[in-house]
Amino acid sequence: EAGVAQSPRYKIIEKRQSVAFWCNPISGHATLYWYQQILGQGPKLLIQFQNNGVVDDSQLPKDRFSAERLKGVDSTLKIQPAKLEDSAVYLCASSPNPARAGTGGDPSYGYTFGSGTRLTVV
Amino acid sequence: RKEVEQDPGPFNVPEGATVAFNCTYSNSASQSFFWYRQDCRKEPKLLMSVYSSGNEDGRFTAQLNRASQYISLLIRDSKLSDSATYLCVVNLAAGNKLTFGGGTRVLVKP
Repeated sequence: EAGVAQSPRYKIIEKRQSVAFWCNPISGHATLYWYQQILGQGPKLLIQFQNNGVVDDSQLPKDRFSAERLKGVDSTLKIQPAKLEDSAVYLCASSPNPARAGTGGDPSYGYTFGSGTRLTVV
Repeated sequence: RKEVEQDPGPFNVPEGATVAFNCTYSNSASQSFFWYRQDCRKEPKLLMSVYSSGNEDGRFTAQLNRASQYISLLIRDSKLSDSATYLCVVNLAAGNKLTFGGGTRVLVKP
C-alpha cells in the first residue's frame, strides 16, 4: 500500500515570500491532517479535513496560512507571506475515518504520516 | 498549561538497561492514548496504544493512570536502536484529533 506522499521534501525561502506544500493521502482515507513541527517540539495540528470539509482549523494562523482539499483527495497548504518563525517541518497525515484514527498497530486503521516538508525561512 | 506534557530528556541509557518515563495530560475527557516513536528527521510512527489495564509489546510496557492523568512507557533491555524521541499522544473524543506532547528523547549508549 502506498503511503502518504508529500512534496517538496525541502524548501528554503526568504521571509515575506510565499510557499505551498502538497499532500496526497493514502487512497480511500477520508480524513487528512496538516501538522507543524518546530524543532524540538511535538507536532501541532494546523487543520483537519473530513473529505473536502474543514473539521478543525482552530490553530491555523489564518492571516497567513491557508489550506484546501477541493476534491476530497489531495491537499495543499500555503503560507503567504512567510515569517522566520514558520521554519518547521510540515507533516501531512491521513486516516480512514475519525473513529479509527490512531487505533491499534495496523497501518490501515491508524494515522499514517508522510515524510514531511522541511521549510527554512531566511 | 500544555495539554500533554513530557520530560524532554535526554535520558541517557546504558545498553541493556531499563528506562521509564511519564507523560501527563490535562483533559480528563481524553479517551485514547498512544506512544509514537520519531527518529531523527523522520515522521512519527505509532509504537503502541495504551490501555487502561496496561499492555506490553515485547520489551515495551505502557501504563495508563486515569486518576492521576498520566501515561508511562517502560523499555526493558534497551537496544541501541531504541534511541529516538518518544511522543506521548492523546485523543479527545470530540473531533478525534491527536494531540502530541513535546517528546522525550532517549539515547541508548554501548
